[in-house]
Amino acid sequence: NAGVMQNPRHLVRRRGQEARLRCSPVKGHSHVYWYRQLPEEGLKFMVYLQKENIIDESGMPKERFSAEFPKEGPSILRIQQVVRGDSAAYFCASSPGQGGGSPLHFGNGTRLTVT
Amino acid sequence: AQSVTQLGSHVSVSEGALVLLRCNYSSSVPPYLFWYVQYPNQGLQLLLKYTSAATLVKGINGFEAEFKKSETSFHLTKPSAHMSDAAEYFCAVSRDFQKLVFGTGTRLLVSP
Repeated sequence: NAGVMQNPRHLVRRRGQEARLRCSPVKGHSHVYWYRQLPEEGLKFMVYLQKENIIDESGMPKERFSAEFPKEGPSILRIQQVVRGDSAAYFCASSPGQGGGSPLHFGNGTRLTVT
Repeated sequence: AQSVTQLGSHVSVSEGALVLLRCNYSSSVPPYLFWYVQYPNQGLQLLLKYTSAATLVKGINGFEAEFKKSETSFHLTKPSAHMSDAAEYFCAVSRDFQKLVFGTGTRLLVSP
């Protein structure tokens, strides 16, 4: 069984460009979460999505960041007009969404470097 | 609001020695608690979770953690460290198993 797949593993963007990060959840999982890990810090929740719906985006910056999880295809985290402060590791996690007893499965992350 | 404090950003032990990684939580509701391990350039792997079934929780790779409500703690232990245990460890709290709040992590260094 494939786990959570994220690509690319490493992404380099110049300031002002767009970054698109992809996440394919574990097969059968309908809930996706995005977390950001800044250097020397723990993971910070960004957004929680179910198929075609954003459930909780309380951790998303108000501007430049957006996320989607379409009916078909991977979840996408999009960062427009990147700045140096966006450099971080972005992790996707998925769960079957059955509530208690369903821990998150994490991908290996996308490491974004903004030059 | 929920939060987690991990005491000590770095912990060094010798191979074969006891591992103790500290985690204290704050939560206004009975929490779910987790320990995750992160190896370099990899994602997080679940070590163990507390869901109120038992206060002593056993996880993978010989790790265990004890939930102590009176101390609001969920410390991670392993009786005998192995070189392969060197990694970063994160404690996390959640009220609904969905949105996790992570601590800042503790890097475990194991020397021969």
